[in-house]
Amino acid sequence: GENVEQHPSTLSVQEGDSAVIKCTYSDSASNYFPWYKQELGKRPQLIIDIRSNVGEKKDQRIAVTLNKTAKHFSLHITETQPEDSAVYFCAARMYSGGGADGLTFGKGTHLIIQP
Amino acid sequence: EPEVTQTPSHQVTQMGQEVILRCVPISNHLYFYWYRQILGQKVEFLVSFYNNEISEKSEIFDDQFSVERPDGSNFTLKIRSTKLEDSAMYFCASSDQMDLNQPQHFGDGTRLSIL
Repeated sequence: GENVEQHPSTLSVQEGDSAVIKCTYSDSASNYFPWYKQELGKRPQLIIDIRSNVGEKKDQRIAVTLNKTAKHFSLHITETQPEDSAVYFCAARMYSGGGADGLTFGKGTHLIIQP
Repeated sequence: EPEVTQTPSHQVTQMGQEVILRCVPISNHLYFYWYRQILGQKVEFLVSFYNNEISEKSEIFDDQFSVERPDGSNFTLKIRSTKLEDSAMYFCASSDQMDLNQPQHFGDGTRLSIL
């Protein structure tokens, strides 16, 4: 099955600086890669996703890059703000065409924005 | 914006008892999922459901677990004889179309505590 590794487990950056979180996946058939933000005690919320036919996607201060050859994808947050503090999870899914495929999540990165 | 709703928000149950967790997916969604998150750990896929049957299940989803869509709106997860290690946050999610890799939207979760 799919295995997703995520680094770092904790990331502390100064407010206004950029943050980068990296993930690798094992199954080359995976073709969908979402990123979720989870605040303490709350639901995971989708913040951005990328499909395997795209190398990069950007939404305001958030961007995701995908390298299919190396099987890794990264989340980039620029101009970080205190409200960006949360746990971020990457995930991967292989669309098999046969049904509803579940997401395989990384272990999460606790992002801390220092004022 | 439509949301996935889950009830109850917190369930406390004696070990060995049966528990049913309830979810109302987003109304036009066709694919339903259950995930669990043990405190401080990553989100883990349990099961997916489409067209009134299980599409995929993980190793965690053993014979003690079952899912059902008893009517046109609810989607339930039943644990027949709960164990201490079933204590976790259980998230329901739903998505629209699989072939376009539509995002999975998560509910607020049910915190299950087994005593």
